[in-house]
Amino acid sequence: DTAVSQTPKYLVTQMGNDKSIKCEQNLGHDTMYWYKQDSKKFLKIMFSYNNKELIINETVPNRFSPKSPDKAHLNLHINSLELGDSAVYFCASSQAWLATNEQYFGPGTRLTVT
Amino acid sequence: SQQGEEDPQALSIQEGENATMNCSYKTSINNLQWYRQNSGRGLVHLILIRSNEREKHSGRLRVTLDTSKKSSSLLITASRAADTASYFCATSRSNDYKLSFGAGTTVTVRA
Repeated sequence: DTAVSQTPKYLVTQMGNDKSIKCEQNLGHDTMYWYKQDSKKFLKIMFSYNNKELIINETVPNRFSPKSPDKAHLNLHINSLELGDSAVYFCASSQAWLATNEQYFGPGTRLTVT
Repeated sequence: SQQGEEDPQALSIQEGENATMNCSYKTSINNLQWYRQNSGRGLVHLILIRSNEREKHSGRLRVTLDTSKKSSSLLITASRAADTASYFCATSRSNDYKLSFGAGTTVTVRA
């Protein structure tokens, strides 16, 4: 029973393409997140949704667009991919939008843009 | 910019030894969490310590927090090969609930 799942696990694509990453959680959590981890392992938050409402939108190029069709799903669409978008993208969820909530991470999607 | 910074960047120890890593942060926090990331996997929550707590234990893990020095340490006792992973501290600031992660400490436990 995977708590937070992401598809695909690996994504190799060319510059200029548009791609999507899907995330699903079966924990009944209200809050979901997208993080980007670069090659130096820095993990930076990109977006967060609470009850399908966007609550965090960090300084991210508008080529990145999240979409939450329901509380259990948070997808990430990326337009016009660039070399610098290559990274590992993690989806995460927490029970609620609270400082003390631990976050549950998916296995990550390794995106390589050539 | 990253809120938390771990030190050292990498640590190699023998099985059975203790591993200690530190995290420093810049602004007042609500709480501090430690996560583990095995190679090629997502992060797993280990322990949370609130700003009004000084020490916390969970199994072989011991976390301390010194808010006056804006620092925390994670001690793993009696290390095992399975403890080989990267360890990240993450802080939640007093005025918002976002988690800010450091770059992690990579721990290698040699058999």
